[in-house]
Amino acid sequence: AQTIHQWPVAEIKAVGSPLSLGCTIKGKSSPNLYWYWQATGGTLQQLFYSITVGQVESVVQLNLSASRPKDDQFILSTEKLLLSHSGFYLCAWSRDTQYFGPGTRLLVL
Amino acid sequence: GQQVQQSPASLVLQEGENAELQCNFSSTATQLQWFYQSPGGSLVSLLSNPSGTKHTGRLTSTTVTKERRSSLHISSSQTTDSGTYLCAPSGTGGYKVVFGSGTRLLVSP
Repeated sequence: AQTIHQWPVAEIKAVGSPLSLGCTIKGKSSPNLYWYWQATGGTLQQLFYSITVGQVESVVQLNLSASRPKDDQFILSTEKLLLSHSGFYLCAWSRDTQYFGPGTRLLVL
Repeated sequence: GQQVQQSPASLVLQEGENAELQCNFSSTATQLQWFYQSPGGSLVSLLSNPSGTKHTGRLTSTTVTKERRSSLHISSSQTTDSGTYLCAPSGTGGYKVVFGSGTRLLVSP
């Protein structure tokens, strides 16, 4: 069975500090991977997707970047956090539908 | 780009009542997914229905591709159905997914 893990579960960070969020998929080779972001009370927005290792497509520009260093790993990062980065970050993989991880809650102060 | 409108924005039911949720989208979609988001934020896929009618348990989805609309019918609602229902059309390949703002459902006992 496939499992998807996200880390950390939650973070409180200062404006201007760096950020790295991780996502790992187990039990599925060469998955399509996705990052989503949801502001509190807001609509879920797709940020990035990746079809293969080393290739990432940006969907929405939010001063964030993503990388796929391994087949089963997807990383979301920024060097300088903004207040507007606060929210809920979800990673997903897809086959016939999208399967979501448990998410990371980020609060930027 | 793709625009997604869901209605109603919120819905309050008594347990046992039925619910009808609507989703309209602006551009052709080769895939149409319905998701449930729990009050805690986790997302679960309910149905993938790019066209026609699909049933699973108490859920029935009908998508009319030419008219760019889909509906989700929940029969005999239960308190555990409370949460937000999201519609998400996607284009060829399914890589770019656009979510609607959702219908928030509250089922009271």
